[in-house]
Amino acid sequence: GENVEQHPSTLSVQEGDSAVIKCTYSDSASNYFPWYKQELGKRPQLIIDIRSNVGEKKDQRIAVTLNKTAKHFSLHITETQPEDSAVYFCAASGGGGNKLTFGTGTQLKVEL
Amino acid sequence: KAGVTQTPRYLIKTRGQQVTLSCSPISGHRSVSWYQQTPGQGLQFLFEYFSETQRNKGNFPGRFSGRQFSNSRSEMNVSTLELGDSALYLCASTSSRVFNEQFFGPGTRLTVL
Repeated sequence: GENVEQHPSTLSVQEGDSAVIKCTYSDSASNYFPWYKQELGKRPQLIIDIRSNVGEKKDQRIAVTLNKTAKHFSLHITETQPEDSAVYFCAASGGGGNKLTFGTGTQLKVEL
Repeated sequence: KAGVTQTPRYLIKTRGQQVTLSCSPISGHRSVSWYQQTPGQGLQFLFEYFSETQRNKGNFPGRFSGRQFSNSRSEMNVSTLELGDSALYLCASTSSRVFNEQFFGPGTRLTVL
């Protein structure tokens, strides 16, 4: 089955800096890669996603890149703000149905 | 449009009991997936239902089961509860128009004593 690895597990940045979180996946049939943000005690919230026919997608301060050949995808957050502090999960899905295989999460802390 | 809702939000059970959790998807969404979230194992896929049929199943024992009704509401059941079943159980609904995009409910926090 699919396996998703996520790094780093914790990331601390200064406000205004950029943050990058990286994930790799194992199943070449995966074709959908969402990113979720989860604040303490809250539900995972979809923040951006990318499909396998696209190499990069941007939404304001957030961008995701996908390298299908290398089977890795990354989340980039620019101009980080304290409210960006949360746990971020990458996931992969494909091969029919909506099963998401999640990475282990990255605790992002944005310091003032 | 109302989001995904789950009931109850909190549950306390004892070992050996059984429990039923409910999930109402976003109106018009026909796919419901269930996930278990624990500090040690992270987010793990339990199963997916689409049009009242189980479409995918994760690697959980048969004590975990689910079903979906004609109005797309879904329930999951855990029988013979074990201490290790303590977790946050999340359901997510998916629009048939945007394949794969999943929106999560607030979850049910299950504590097994």
